[in-house]
Amino acid sequence: EADIYQTPRYLVIGTGKKITLECSQTMGHDKMYWYQQDPGMELHLIHYSYGVNSTEKGDLSSESTVSRIRTEHFPLTLESARPSHTSQYLCASTSGPLSGANVLTFGAGSRLTVL
Amino acid sequence: GESVGLHLPTLSVQEGDNSIINCAYSNSASDYFIWYKQESGKGPQFIIDIRSNMDKRQGQRVTVLLNKTVKHLSLQIAATQPGDSAVYFCAASGNTPLVFGKGTRLSVIA
Repeated sequence: EADIYQTPRYLVIGTGKKITLECSQTMGHDKMYWYQQDPGMELHLIHYSYGVNSTEKGDLSSESTVSRIRTEHFPLTLESARPSHTSQYLCASTSGPLSGANVLTFGAGSRLTVL
Repeated sequence: GESVGLHLPTLSVQEGDNSIINCAYSNSASDYFIWYKQESGKGPQFIIDIRSNMDKRQGQRVTVLLNKTVKHLSLQIAATQPGDSAVYFCAASGNTPLVFGKGTRLSVIA
């Protein structure tokens, strides 16, 4: 069982609301990632972090923001949710290098629906 | 940038048969490749990985083959079981974080 936890697992919310998706890992991993998974199943990297106080944008442009104040915690925030934000959001972590040989451990995901 | 793609969105196999899932990548600088399995309602789980200095690696019932010449890799599952039903992803990495392709949904027919 992976030691990376995402909450909430499911969230249905109205347009304009602020939401935060939580991600915590107990493995002491320094690298953490957020992927967005579309209905076609493809995973797109939206944010990643090398470590505390480090955040970078991924390949897919996203209106969400992230923070990394503690090693184990990597929350993702949407200030004003829109229907286009409806998706599955997957958090992952690793102790390996940022790129190259690198096995990511994934959480179970947060499925967001914006009405 | 890197792009990774799977050849078939769905694959149905008879229980006990071997499954082969194919994947292509675009960046010749990619030097690490990994396969994940995602069951319904769960996050992707690591299956097997391979570095570019190898062309074959075997695990328990799974084998990954890498052909760098044509930038192609495949995942072979021996004696496919109902528990193998899931979506399978390949991913590649060079000097960037892992880039995932679209998944292939494997259905096992009992």
